[in-house]
Amino acid sequence: EAGVAQSPRYKIIEKRQSVAFWCNPISGHATLYWYQQILGQGPKLLIQFQNNGVVDDSQLPKDRFSAERLKGVDSTLKIQPAKLEDSAVYLCASSLVRGSPNNEQFFGPGTRLTVL
Amino acid sequence: AQKITQTQPGMFVQEKEAVTLDCTYDTSDQSYGLFWYKQPSSGEMIFLIYQGSYDEQNATEGRYSLNFQKARKSANLVISASQLGDSAMYFCAMSSNNAGNMLTFGGGTRLMVKP
Repeated sequence: EAGVAQSPRYKIIEKRQSVAFWCNPISGHATLYWYQQILGQGPKLLIQFQNNGVVDDSQLPKDRFSAERLKGVDSTLKIQPAKLEDSAVYLCASSLVRGSPNNEQFFGPGTRLTVL
Repeated sequence: AQKITQTQPGMFVQEKEAVTLDCTYDTSDQSYGLFWYKQPSSGEMIFLIYQGSYDEQNATEGRYSLNFQKARKSANLVISASQLGDSAMYFCAMSSNNAGNMLTFGGGTRLMVKP
């Protein structure tokens, strides 16, 4: 079974530029998550999708971050314009269903973003 | 609100010895789950072990076991017979129905295994 795929793996941009990350979850997984992991910290949830609907985006900085999950499969996370503090690893995860605490999430390899 | 605290920023352990990584949590929910993930330098988060709040027995997965003490709100990870490949960051996390089953992570513990 293929895991969660993310691209690109690394991205370097200058501040005020825009950037987009792509995630392909495990086939059949209805729930998709985007996390931001700043160096030296644990991941922080940015947004959670159930199929193609947003379940929770309370921690997404909506003035510059946007995300979509068209057709309930792939997802794209965009930052426009980027700030220095957006430098982090962006992790995508997916899970089979939502609705119980033991809902294991499977993580992709992440995209390491550096904003200069 | 959920909160996970990992008080050990870094730990050393001798190869083949056991090590305990601490995790305490705070939640007002009755039904919740506790997870441990390993993050090697490659960056991928690897699921290790899960404990449900209603599980009476401590979870075990191979060399990993979770020492769950509900009254003390602690969920420590025990790694037996440490191997060099165990050197990584370890994150404790929790989820609950009332929090939409999203994972809340602690700050992590860096484990270094000495040969």
